[in-house]
Amino acid sequence: EDQVTQSPEALRLQEGESSSLNCSYTVSGLRGLFWYRQDPGKGPEFLFTLYSAGEEKEKERLKATLTKKESFLHITAPKPEDSATYLCAVQAMSGGTSYGKLTFGQGTILTVHP
Amino acid sequence: KAGVTQTPRYLIKTRGQQVTLSCSPISGHRSVSWYQQTPGQGLQFLFEYFSETQRNKGNFPGRFSGRQFSNSRSEMNVSTLELGDSALYLCASSLLSGYEQYFGPGTRLTVT
Repeated sequence: EDQVTQSPEALRLQEGESSSLNCSYTVSGLRGLFWYRQDPGKGPEFLFTLYSAGEEKEKERLKATLTKKESFLHITAPKPEDSATYLCAVQAMSGGTSYGKLTFGQGTILTVHP
Repeated sequence: KAGVTQTPRYLIKTRGQQVTLSCSPISGHRSVSWYQQTPGQGLQFLFEYFSETQRNKGNFPGRFSGRQFSNSRSEMNVSTLELGDSALYLCASSLLSGYEQYFGPGTRLTVT
């Protein structure tokens, strides 16, 4: 069964204090690893898709990386508006076919203080 | 481009009743997936529909069902509601099955 574990559960940073969020996964065959941001009372907002080990993607202050067992979301010089829950999810291949099922981790609640 | 829309946004039902939730995907998207989000279990996959066919189903009882129409709009139905069905129900659309998914704002269901 596919599993995703995110750490830490919660992270408090001062504005400008860079850090990383971790996402460890086990999946029979990885189709893609996805990062989302979720604000309270809203649906998850798509950030990145990573498909293969060694791949990196960047967007503003965020950078996502992928290895064969885990992914990191690096946040450089965060601002208070980066405060949110960050979710990691994996999508598996099955019999050479990918389906729409995403398996999510429990998320990391990030709080950035001014 | 308009995002994923879900109706209604909030719903209060009594135990034993049934409920139907609606989802309109991003224009051109053909795959729709449904998820249940609760504080204890997080986001859990319910089912995926592509070209009006259910492609995949999560570990939920048969009380949870869905369908997709020819215009890719989707509905999910929960019959014989239980208190534990209280949750945020999220719909996500993607261009094709297996592509990145874009979520709607969700329907907050409260069962009393």
